[in-house]
Amino acid sequence: QVQLQQWGAGLLKPSETLSLTCAVYGGSFSGYYWSWIRQPPGKGLEWIGEINHSGIPDYNPSLKSRVTISVDTSKNQFSLKLSAMTAADTAVYFCARGGVGASLHDWGQGTLVTVSS
Amino acid sequence: DIQMTQSPSSLSASVGDRVTITCRASQSISKYLNWYQQKPGRAPKLLIYVASSLQSGVPSRFSGSGSGTDFTLTINSLQPEDFATYFCQQTYSTPRTFGQGTKLDIK
Repeated sequence: QVQLQQWGAGLLKPSETLSLTCAVYGGSFSGYYWSWIRQPPGKGLEWIGEINHSGIPDYNPSLKSRVTISVDTSKNQFSLKLSAMTAADTAVYFCARGGVGASLHDWGQGTLVTVSS
Repeated sequence: DIQMTQSPSSLSASVGDRVTITCRASQSISKYLNWYQQKPGRAPKLLIYVASSLQSGVPSRFSGSGSGTDFTLTINSLQPEDFATYFCQQTYSTPRTFGQGTKLDIK
C-alpha cells in the first residue's frame, strides 16, 4: 500500500518561495509520474506540474516561470518550489503519484498554504 | 490548453438513485479521461481511469464511458457515502486540466 506524506511551511509572506516535499512509502519510486496539484479554498483543482520516471519535468504554462519540481530517488521524495508567492497562490497543495494514463492513483494528505503579509 | 466542462455543476439525488455526470473536452482526448471523488477536507480519490477502468477497491456501482470529447460517470444505486464532489481530468496532453466539479448532495 503506497502512502504519500507531504510537508512544508503553511504560512508565507508575499514574494517568498513555497517549498513542499512529498515522501513515498511502501512502493516503487521508478516508473511513475510524480505530480503536484493545488486547490484554492472552495474552488476546483489546478495541475501544477509533474516529473516523470526519467526525471523530466513538465509544468503548467501559467506557472512555468515560477515553479520547479525535482526528485530525490535516494530518499524516495519529490519536491515543489514556487517562487514569488502572492495571495492568489493561497491553496491546498497536494502531491500525487501518476499511474496508467497519468491518472493520479495515490495522493498526499494536502497542505494548506496561506500567503499573507 | 484543453478545456474540460462538466455538467451539471450541482445535483441533488436520493439514496438508491442512479445519477449521471457528463464531462466534455474542447478537443478529442481519445480515452485519456479520469474521474475523481472528493469529500470536504480530503484529497481526491481516483474512481475511474482511461475513461472506463475501475480503480481497485472502488465499488462496482461506479462506471465510466466515452471517448473522444464526451464522457460520462454513472453511479448506480447511490449510497450515503457517495455524496461528494466529482471531478473529471484529461491526461491526453499537458497541462492536465480538470473539470470545474459536480457537487452531489442529498435531496
